[in-house]
Amino acid sequence: EAQVTQNPRYLITVTGKKLTVTCSQNMNHEYMSWYRQDPGLGLRQIYYSMNVEVTDKGDVPEGYKVSRKEKRNFPLILESPSPNQTSLYFCASSPGLAGGRSYNEQFFGPGTRLTVL
Amino acid sequence: AQKITQTQPGMFVQEKEAVTLDCTYDTSDPSYGLFWYKQPSSGEMIFLIYQGSYDQQNATEGRYSLNFQKARKSANLVISASQLGDSAMYFCAMREVDTGNQFYFGTGTSLTVIP
Repeated sequence: EAQVTQNPRYLITVTGKKLTVTCSQNMNHEYMSWYRQDPGLGLRQIYYSMNVEVTDKGDVPEGYKVSRKEKRNFPLILESPSPNQTSLYFCASSPGLAGGRSYNEQFFGPGTRLTVL
Repeated sequence: AQKITQTQPGMFVQEKEAVTLDCTYDTSDPSYGLFWYKQPSSGEMIFLIYQGSYDQQNATEGRYSLNFQKARKSANLVISASQLGDSAMYFCAMREVDTGNQFYFGTGTSLTVIP
């Protein structure tokens, strides 16, 4: 089944304790991205990657790191989490970024709800 | 300035009626894509419809259509024959092609379909 998986789905942690949220897709997609969703703010892009070893900052990259060593995986790393990073996080992928729906449709993972105490 | 603006935090529609969810966007990039996503209460993000800036026709996907008015920078979603299952949050989004391929989302509209 074609899908984007994220782990863990739920995480409660404490300030300063490094954590990684994994993201994997099995559709051979070029483009992968991380978002955070906060009430009243919609989704905001944290980082994105157009291909292996290519990553770019989105709107809210501070406090986050990513890496794209393999095409299928795009982990999100919080080196020193703080309470303002409490949020719902989504990973997404799409085939590429040429024209048309088939390239642009983003497939989202199920989300990771993170609480930082 | 906001890249995507959704001015309707909440909307109600009678079952079987049509509803329009508003979205305006701001870009100077001549090449961009516009998207609508649905997020039911279960939390998953569901792709609904896509419109490219150079597309001549308005996009349609089943009961969903995108009313694309390029000069007004407007990309409203029209849902025809609303169903109870349409109750959800709806997000408008944009990707700018020439300026980095970043995605921008609006703050969303909560739609409630009334039986």
